[in-house]
Amino acid sequence: NAGVTQTPKFQVLKTGQSMTLQCAQDMNHEYMSWYRQDPGMGLRLIHYSVGAGITDQGEVPNGYNVSRSTTEDFPLRLLSAAPSQTSVYFCASSYGGTGNREQYFGPGTRLTVT
Amino acid sequence: AQTVTQSQPEMSVQEAETVTLSCTYDTSESDYYLFWYKQPPSRQMILVIRQEAYKQQNATENRFSVNFQKAAKSFSLKISDSQLGDAAMYFCASRSTSGTYKYIFGTGTRLKVLA
Repeated sequence: NAGVTQTPKFQVLKTGQSMTLQCAQDMNHEYMSWYRQDPGMGLRLIHYSVGAGITDQGEVPNGYNVSRSTTEDFPLRLLSAAPSQTSVYFCASSYGGTGNREQYFGPGTRLTVT
Repeated sequence: AQTVTQSQPEMSVQEAETVTLSCTYDTSESDYYLFWYKQPPSRQMILVIRQEAYKQQNATENRFSVNFQKAAKSFSLKISDSQLGDAAMYFCASRSTSGTYKYIFGTGTRLKVLA
């Protein structure tokens, strides 16, 4: 049971480049989400999904796309990287529905855009 | 809309002493869940404690306990007998119970433990 995995761990992009951050979980969780963590800003929700085929925007969705074709995978796409997207990105998952659902986090991806 | 506010960017505590981290939240829902997560220098997010809003009894996990004041929308974390390993960022979070089940996090409190 690997939990939540993220790749890559580190990435450097040039302004205007695109890339996909990968996230996978093997716990059959319905709910998955992406956050970015910036100093003094806490964790801000980018996009989330309550199940395969269903996604929605969080607090800071601009410049990012997501899709959820399977329960296990929830990739985050940066369409045209900007220096403002320099951050640490976390993927998380949990069971859906009501109930006290703990979120499990991946190890994070540190992205630098130059 | 859900909001979570942590007004203490940084706190310090002497080893073996007690410290309380503050968190306030806002939600229009009558039922929700609240969490405290710890993020050590390794960056890995670790659940510390959780509270169901419909339960009046405050949650406790070993040296960690909460003071949940529903009317005041306050959810503070008390750490007793602080240890060097408690040094970390602490995030307060709320989870909706309707529709989207979104989690919203506060900005975090950095806790330093002094030997």
